[in-house]
Amino acid sequence: AQSVTQLDSHVSVSEGTPVLLRCNYSSSYSPSLFWYVQHPNKGLQLLLKYTSAATLVKGINGFEAEFKKSETSFHLTKPSAHMSDAAEYFCVVSGTNYGGATNKLIFGTGTLLAVQP
Amino acid sequence: EPEVTQTPSHQVTQMGQEVILRCVPISNHLYFYWYRQILGQKVEFLVSFYNNEISEKSEIFDDQFSVERPDGSNFTLKIRSTKLEDSAMYFCASRGGLSNQPQHFGDGTRLSIL
Repeated sequence: AQSVTQLDSHVSVSEGTPVLLRCNYSSSYSPSLFWYVQHPNKGLQLLLKYTSAATLVKGINGFEAEFKKSETSFHLTKPSAHMSDAAEYFCVVSGTNYGGATNKLIFGTGTLLAVQP
Repeated sequence: EPEVTQTPSHQVTQMGQEVILRCVPISNHLYFYWYRQILGQKVEFLVSFYNNEISEKSEIFDDQFSVERPDGSNFTLKIRSTKLEDSAMYFCASRGGLSNQPQHFGDGTRLSIL
């Protein structure tokens, strides 16, 4: 079975400093991994996805994530935080292997990112 | 950019009443999903729908829940007799035909059961 663990429920950074949101996954086969962001009272927006191509994945708004199989990690980073980055971030794994019809998403518990001025 | 739309944004219903949540997926997508997020908890999978039938459902999705794609554009979630514990944010999602394509989410419907 697939699962993801987000190691921090809250992260606070200062504007202009780097962001690191940590995620570890568990999967019995090569996973598809995603980061979604949820701003207050809004839906879930896809930031980036990993689907067994390049291990360093670039997403929207300057975010990127690196897939490390040896560490079973998929941490999200950004070099310089902006006030508008304040939101909740979800690490997500797809729940079936290639060829499965469902690809249900399994969400982590979320990391709330606060950006201080 | 095409997007998933959900209506209403907020639904308040008396316990025991039926409620229908509506979603319009992205037009060329083939797979459709419902998820829910109870306040303070993680987002949970409810059901997936493909080729006009349920392809997978979670243990949450019991006989009180049903889904339908009545007219080729809408995708609905019905709860027959609502309970207090059904209060949550419900998200609809859709994706294209390739298995590695991401799911696109709507803004959600906040369901409040009184």
